[in-house]
Amino acid sequence: GENVEQHPSTLSVQEGDSAVIKCTYSDSASNYFPWYKQELGKGPQLIIDIRSNVGEKKDQRIAVTLNKTAKHFSLHITETQPEDSAVYFCAAAPGTASKLTFGTGTRLQVTL
Amino acid sequence: GAVVSQHPSWVICKSGTSVKIECRSLDFQATTMFWYRQFPKQSLMLMATSNEGSKATYEQGVEKDKFLINHASLTLSTLTVTSAHPEDSSFYICSAAPWTGQGGETQYFGPGTRLLVL
Repeated sequence: GENVEQHPSTLSVQEGDSAVIKCTYSDSASNYFPWYKQELGKGPQLIIDIRSNVGEKKDQRIAVTLNKTAKHFSLHITETQPEDSAVYFCAAAPGTASKLTFGTGTRLQVTL
Repeated sequence: GAVVSQHPSWVICKSGTSVKIECRSLDFQATTMFWYRQFPKQSLMLMATSNEGSKATYEQGVEKDKFLINHASLTLSTLTVTSAHPEDSSFYICSAAPWTGQGGETQYFGPGTRLLVL
């Protein structure tokens, strides 16, 4: 089955700096890669996703890149703000199925 | 758009009782809903996939007789934890996926239900 690895497990950045979280996956059939933000005591919130026919996608301060050859994808947050502090999960899903395999999560802390 | 609700948000019950958690997609129809369990500071663990009108598909190691799932309509799925015990205490989260026809289905998550079994 699919295996998703996520790094780093914790990340501390100063407000205004950029944050990068990286994930690798094992199943070459995966073609859908969402990123979720989870605040304490809440459910995960979809922040951006990318499909295998696209190499990069951007939404304001958030961007995701995908390298299918290397089987890795990354989340980039620019101009970080304190409200970006949360746990971020990457995930991968195979072609026609909808089952997501999640990474282990990255706890991002944005300090003033 | 794409709002998923869960009820209740938290529940405390005595050991041996059953607890039902509801998951609703409020502004879309979900042919597929998922139930996850999450322990503190850990990732989400998929318990089962629920398709409307058919039996749920459980992940390996998840007891189907203990975690009963019903997906009776395109907007509602329920998870019943039967004869709950302290080890069932956890954060239960559902998600719903509208079919997009793009070969991958975006999952929208509910706010979660915290269960504490005494």
